[in-house]
Amino acid sequence: ETGVTQTPRHLVMGMTNKKSLKCEQHLGHNAMYWYKQSAKKPLELMFVYNFKEQTENNSVPSRFSPECPNSSHLFLHLHTLQPEDSALYLCASSPKGSGEETQYFGPGTRLLVL
Amino acid sequence: GESVGLHLPTLSVQEGDNSIINCAYSNSASDYFIWYKQESGKGPQFIIDIRSNMDKRQGQRVTVLLNKTVKHLSLQIAATQPGDSAVYFCAEKDRGAQKLVFGQGTRLTINP
Repeated sequence: ETGVTQTPRHLVMGMTNKKSLKCEQHLGHNAMYWYKQSAKKPLELMFVYNFKEQTENNSVPSRFSPECPNSSHLFLHLHTLQPEDSALYLCASSPKGSGEETQYFGPGTRLLVL
Repeated sequence: GESVGLHLPTLSVQEGDNSIINCAYSNSASDYFIWYKQESGKGPQFIIDIRSNMDKRQGQRVTVLLNKTVKHLSLQIAATQPGDSAVYFCAEKDRGAQKLVFGQGTRLTINP
């Protein structure tokens, strides 16, 4: 257990569906991240939030919409996805501002878009 | 149909032997490096990290070596065990930046 939980662990959705991924960290961190891990590419950073504010969007299509209501929770809202969006979506957190830079990952949500 | 996956470098070692996993980086401004282990069905798990003002750091059964001259990072695992089977990723961070840039990973297989 890393202190970062993600739900659901597995998700199958059609291209017209709307779904949300949830991440919660119990580490007292104030930076949170979304990554995409697919079979064809290395781990890709999608979004960065520091103190609930989005500080980085790595050219992610608008069909992915992040939300960070507080420093412990992070959501990724999905709508009209494409089959190539099928991947493992990983959430991570880190203690920004403390000098420690290690990012701690959750177990991921395995997403399949049909 | 058959899916085409990312071709990962693979390292196979005998149980009990030492393993060395290598990683090259290109950014001379990187000041922080980290190794992760990812087992099947799990997220990346922190193993060990090192800052650019060091060239060696040891943990429990693991050692990270940093050679800034040739921009090379290695992870040494002593007396490998079946539970060490996983994909190992190195990541680097640019000085002043927050995001980590990951390598493609190396799959470590332990033979009994």
